[in-house]
Amino acid sequence: NAGVTQTPKFQVLKTGQSMTLQCAQDMNHEYMSWYRQDPGMGLRLIHYSVGAGITDQGEVPNGYNVSRSTTEDFPLRLLSAAPSQTSVYFCASSKTSGGTQETQYFGPGTRLLVL
Amino acid sequence: GDSVTQMEGPVTLSEEAFLTINCTYTATGYPSLFWYVQYPGEGLQLLLKATKADDKGSNKGFEATYRKETTSFHLEKGSVQVSDSAVYFCALLPSGGSYIPTFGRGTSLIVHP
Repeated sequence: NAGVTQTPKFQVLKTGQSMTLQCAQDMNHEYMSWYRQDPGMGLRLIHYSVGAGITDQGEVPNGYNVSRSTTEDFPLRLLSAAPSQTSVYFCASSKTSGGTQETQYFGPGTRLLVL
Repeated sequence: GDSVTQMEGPVTLSEEAFLTINCTYTATGYPSLFWYVQYPGEGLQLLLKATKADDKGSNKGFEATYRKETTSFHLEKGSVQVSDSAVYFCALLPSGGSYIPTFGRGTSLIVHP
């Protein structure tokens, strides 16, 4: 198993540009999520999904869109990048049980710089 | 709302020293508690977890006990190694069915030879 993979590893954008951060998992996990990690802030949940066709907002969803057309993939879209979106982005996945998630597996991260 | 408070770092130790990283939480009911570790340039990995009061999670020489009375989940290791240098995150997942965890801000550990 490759686990959770993310592409690209590093990206530089100009303000106003759009891009998609890719995330894929091969563990057949129902739950997938996106976090951003900023210095001194820990991890903050952006969006999450409990299965194909189902998504919901986390703590900091503004400026980001997601979709879940397959179990394996959960892309994160920035429609109009802003400098405040400069961060490291992590995708995670887990099985679900009893209406909640089990242990999360994290991808290696995408470092995004918005100029 | 829920919150997790960790001791601020960096924590700097010599090899073979005893490690404690404090974590306290605020949540209703009985959340599940986790410690994750992040090595430089990598994503987070689960280190250990506990799902009910008085449970002890352990892995790779690290231990943490779920203390409901003090709302704490302190991470300990008896003898740290240079390879333990990383950032450690305490986290909780609310009880009653939730998909939104709360993470602490992380504590950096630096172990010198």
